[in-house]
Amino acid sequence: AQSVTQLDSQVPVFEEAPVELRCNYSSSVSVYLFWYVQYPNQGLQLLLKYLSGSTLVKGINGFEAEFNKSQTSFHLRKPSVHISDTAEYFCAVSDSETGTASKLTFGTGTRLQVTL
Amino acid sequence: DAGVTQSPTHLIKTRGQQVTLRCSPKSGHDTVSWYQQALGQGPQFIFQYYEEEERQRGNFPDRFSGHQFPNYSSELNVNALWLGDSALYLCASSSVGGFDEQFFGPGTRLTVL
Repeated sequence: AQSVTQLDSQVPVFEEAPVELRCNYSSSVSVYLFWYVQYPNQGLQLLLKYLSGSTLVKGINGFEAEFNKSQTSFHLRKPSVHISDTAEYFCAVSDSETGTASKLTFGTGTRLQVTL
Repeated sequence: DAGVTQSPTHLIKTRGQQVTLRCSPKSGHDTVSWYQQALGQGPQFIFQYYEEEERQRGNFPDRFSGHQFPNYSSELNVNALWLGDSALYLCASSSVGGFDEQFFGPGTRLTVL
């Protein structure tokens, strides 16, 4: 069984400030890791994914995340946020042994609120 | 490419009724997964269909059933609706054996009164 913990339910930040959204996971098997973003009344859009290789992953909209196997973490970062980054962010894992089409297990989400 | 499409966008039902939600996958994808997202929560995996068969299932009762058609589109059926079924239902498509992520549709908002 797998689980994902997003410790911060809400993260307020001023525009142009850096931000980090935390994600920790638990799994008995190797995993793939994902960050999705959800804007109001919309579906989920992939920000970035870690499948293998370099532990620092760069995604869209200037976001990046670092996979830390020893700490079972996959924190999301952005050096300078914009008002348009205000959204709900979800961390997710899947079983790498059954491929990227395998079911996703999501965290409860972190609401990023960017203000002027 | 239209991406993943879902219908209807919104739906209102009363307790005890049955509902059918529809999903068309992204072009080139052969696998459809369904997720339930309650208000303020992360999506929860319901089940996945591949080659017209249920491939994986999450912790949902038998009231939740599905189907996949030869053109890879899919339906989610929920019987005997109760208030707790009110949620956003998301469909995601992917390709078995590929390394694409799962692409999500915009969802169907179901309200049970």
